[in-house]
Amino acid sequence: DAKTTQPPSMDCAEGRAANLPCNHSTISGNEYVYWYRQIHSQGPQYIIHGLKNNETNEMASLIITEDRKSSTLILPHATLRDTAVYYCIVRVEFSGTYKYIFGTGTRLKVLA
Amino acid sequence: GAVVSQHPSRVICKSGTSVKIECRSLDFQATTMFWYRQFPKKSLMLMATSNEGSKATYEQGVEKDKFLINHASLTLSTLTVTSAHPEDSSFYICSARDLQGLRYNSPLHFGNGTRLTVT
Repeated sequence: DAKTTQPPSMDCAEGRAANLPCNHSTISGNEYVYWYRQIHSQGPQYIIHGLKNNETNEMASLIITEDRKSSTLILPHATLRDTAVYYCIVRVEFSGTYKYIFGTGTRLKVLA
Repeated sequence: GAVVSQHPSRVICKSGTSVKIECRSLDFQATTMFWYRQFPKKSLMLMATSNEGSKATYEQGVEKDKFLINHASLTLSTLTVTSAHPEDSSFYICSARDLQGLRYNSPLHFGNGTRLTVT
C-alpha cells in the first residue's frame, strides 16, 4: 500500500545534477513528503522533507509541484558516493497514528 | 543530529533459538519506534509500530508471537525473533522520530540495521 511511485533506476554522470522524480497523487493536504537514501547494507539516511514550498539544504533540493501530486529531488552535483537507492515517502495515517511506508525506490547510479 | 543506535549489527544463530535486537535513540526521546525488515534487493517492509508503555501494532501478515516487541522506555525498543528459522534471515532496521517540542513532522531517523542469519 505504498503511496508513492518512482522509476526503478536512473544513471547520472558525475558532476551533473541528478533529478529524481516521485509521484504521490493521493497525498493529503497536510502531509509532508520525505526523501531518504540507502547505501548498501546500511540504514536509510534522511535527506530532506517538504510540504508545499521548495526546500533546500546542504545535501539536496526538493521541488514540489503546485498541486503537490509529485516532487523531484535534485542532487546538484552528483558524486560517486551518491550512488544509492533513493526513497520518496509519504506518511500514512492509520487509526490515529502514522506509518511510514516505503515504495520501491529509485536505484541511482552515478557514473564516472 | 538525532542518532539511532541498533545492536547487534550482525548475528548468526541456530535454527530454533531466539535473537534479541536492540534499538536506542541516543540523544532524543521517542514514544514511537518502527521496525522494518528488508530482503536482498527489495524495499523496506514495515513490520510493526512500537509504542512506549503499550502494545506494539503489527502489520498484516506479521506474526506477533514470532516477533516480540518491547518498548519499555522512551529510548529503547527491542525486537525478539523467537524460534528463528532460516526464512527469518533478513536485514532488520529500526527507526524513531524525535518528538521534542511540537515537531511532529520531524523525519524518521534510522538505525544501521541488523543482519540476521539463521543456520
